[in-house]
Amino acid sequence: DQQVKQNSPSLSVQEGRISILNCDYTNSMFDYFLWYKKYPAEGPTFLISISSIKDKNEDGRFTVFLNKSAKHLSLHIVPSQPGDSAVYFCAAHSGGSNYKLTFGKGTLLTVNP
Amino acid sequence: GAVVSQHPSRVICKSGTSVKIECRSLDFQATTMFWYRQFPKKSLMLMATSNEGSKATYEQGVEKDKFLINHASLTLSTLTVTSAHPEDSSFYICSARMGTASVGAFFGQGTRLTVV
Repeated sequence: DQQVKQNSPSLSVQEGRISILNCDYTNSMFDYFLWYKKYPAEGPTFLISISSIKDKNEDGRFTVFLNKSAKHLSLHIVPSQPGDSAVYFCAAHSGGSNYKLTFGKGTLLTVNP
Repeated sequence: GAVVSQHPSRVICKSGTSVKIECRSLDFQATTMFWYRQFPKKSLMLMATSNEGSKATYEQGVEKDKFLINHASLTLSTLTVTSAHPEDSSFYICSARMGTASVGAFFGQGTRLTVV
């Protein structure tokens, strides 16, 4: 049972345009969501997060939107840059002291110059 | 920012041997560390939660006798793959928690294990 789903395995955009990465979840107990960026053969790097009590969080070129009723979140990158090309993982946390993260399968973003 | 160092980054071993992977939090104390495994084109799968000074908590389906986890100090957790087999070949990643959930988990660089 996949509780965090990233249905698009890949996305290709032109430099300067907006990249929109989507993530859906099924567990209503998730209360915190995170996006990670991962280059090949490296560990993930934390990008941005959002609490379930918010619907938007912005950090520079990165904005995460959360739609709780739809159990959907998205990461917007604008303007996209070639260096943004990587795999992006959506992750969710259900609270508690153990801080376990459930990850989606990732979306490979390619930003073309 | 917080740094988690994982060593080695790449290891090749023979079937039947054991391999130890270290995960260190360099500038903070991590009471909890996590070990993940990533299969090709798959998500990160949590293997176990490592708590300093106590036994690790393994996820369902993970063999605790095969994947030995030791969290000896607040800055070091180790994963030992015992009697390695080719199917254990994978990318193993550790992460450490710092503070509250709002800061996100910090990940090591990962270890590419190849068992021949």
